Amino acid sequence: DAKTTQPPSMDCAEGRAANLPCNHSTISGNEYVYWYRQIHSQGPQYIIHGLKNNETNEMASLIITEDRKSSTLILPHATLRDTAVYYCIVRVDNNNDMRFGAGTRLTVKP
Amino acid sequence: DVKVTQSSRYLVKRTGEKVFLECVQDMDHENMFWYRQDPGLGLRLIYFSYDVKMKEKGDIPEGYSVSREKKERFSLILESASTNQTSMYLCASSFSNGANEQFFGPGTRLTVL
Repeated sequence: DAKTTQPPSMDCAEGRAANLPCNHSTISGNEYVYWYRQIHSQGPQYIIHGLKNNETNEMASLIITEDRKSSTLILPHATLRDTAVYYCIVRVDNNNDMRFGAGTRLTVKP
Repeated sequence: DVKVTQSSRYLVKRTGEKVFLECVQDMDHENMFWYRQDPGLGLRLIYFSYDVKMKEKGDIPEGYSVSREKKERFSLILESASTNQTSMYLCASSFSNGANEQFFGPGTRLTVL
């Protein structure tokens, strides 16, 4: 069962903000939203996670809707090195696996 | 800087061989995980461990076993490698408390001929 839905691919111009959407309409009250990315031939890299409130770190911002049924990952100034597959994941606690779906392939173009 | 290392980036083995994939983390994490990643199938959990000498089956444990004798090391064993085990193998680790992120190693691309 897919717990998240993401568009398969997106393009973004270098220097512009990249907004990656994720739908998680069946999310439970105690499930967090995590974002990872995977650059070609590397292991997944953690970006950010949140429960209810919007979150920001040095890499990105995470905007979660009030009903928590969807979220958006924002890369404020995309660079060519941000080209990767971005995964949105929901999970309860830390002992369980990360259920990665197909993700969104983001291509940042010059 | 946090680190998860895997013993090999690329490995080529023959059908029937016993294969060991090693993973080491230096973050004192309690939890460790082994995944495989195949095109179109995403990451699938093989086994995980939440403490030394403890192990739990993931979604696809058949054909694999694991060993965790020390906290920092988690080994994946293919008892008799088969061609359908050709894949990218990823190790990850995390703390056990709270909603903490998993840190991944660079992966081992295993080819079984």
